[in-house]
Amino acid sequence: AQSVTQLGSHVSVSEGALVLLRCNYSSSVPPYLFWYVQYPNQGLQLLLKYTTGATLVKGINGFEAEFKKSETSFHLTKPSAHMSDAAEYFCAVSDRAGNQFYFGTGTSLTVIP
Amino acid sequence: DTGVSQNPRHKITKRGQNVTFRCDPISEHNRLYWYRQTLGQGPEFLTYFQNEAQLEKSRLLSDRFSAERPKGSFSTLEIQRTEQGDSAMYLCASSLRATNEKLFFGSGTQLSVL
Repeated sequence: AQSVTQLGSHVSVSEGALVLLRCNYSSSVPPYLFWYVQYPNQGLQLLLKYTTGATLVKGINGFEAEFKKSETSFHLTKPSAHMSDAAEYFCAVSDRAGNQFYFGTGTSLTVIP
Repeated sequence: DTGVSQNPRHKITKRGQNVTFRCDPISEHNRLYWYRQTLGQGPEFLTYFQNEAQLEKSRLLSDRFSAERPKGSFSTLEIQRTEQGDSAMYLCASSLRATNEKLFFGSGTQLSVL
C-alpha cells in the first residue's frame, strides 16, 4: 500500500524567500510521485511528477522536487516565493498501474509581502 | 479542451435525502475518478472507471454511495439517505489513460447536509 505524509499543514514565507514543502512517502514498490496545487475555488492542478529517470524534476511556475529513495522523500522547492504561490499544495503517490492516487493532507502556503 | 466539469457547484440538503452529482470529464479521457475531500484533509479516493466499467471502489465507501458512467462519458455519483458526515467536497478527475498519467480535476461539488 502507498501513502504520503506532508510535514507542516501551514507554511509561511516572505516574498522572495525559499519555499520548501516536505513530503515523505511509504511504498512497498517504486512509486510514482506527484505534487498538485489547489488555488482558492479551483480544482487541483498538477505541478510536477516523478515516474522514472532523473530524480530532480522541474514543474510549472518555477517549482521543482527531488526524489530521494534513501530518505523516502519528495520535497517541493522554489528558490523565490511569489505572492501568486499562495495556495494549498498536495503531495500524492500512485502505484505503477495508476489505479489509485493517494494524497497527503496538504500544506497551506502563505506568502508574506 | 473545456476541462472537467462538475455540477452542481454547491448542494445543500436535509439529512435523509438523496443527492446526485454529475461529472463531465475531458472528452477523450477514458479514466474517471471520484474523490471526497473534507476540510484540512487531502482528497480521499472513492472509486474509478475505465470507460464504462467501474474497476475499483474504496472499502471505506458506504453502500449508500453508488456511481455510474453509462457509455463511458459523463458520470454520476449518488448518495442515498444522506448523513451529516457526508458533508464534504466531492471531486471528479479524469485522465487519458492509466499508468502515471496526470489527473485533471474539476472544481468539485460542495455538499452540505443539514
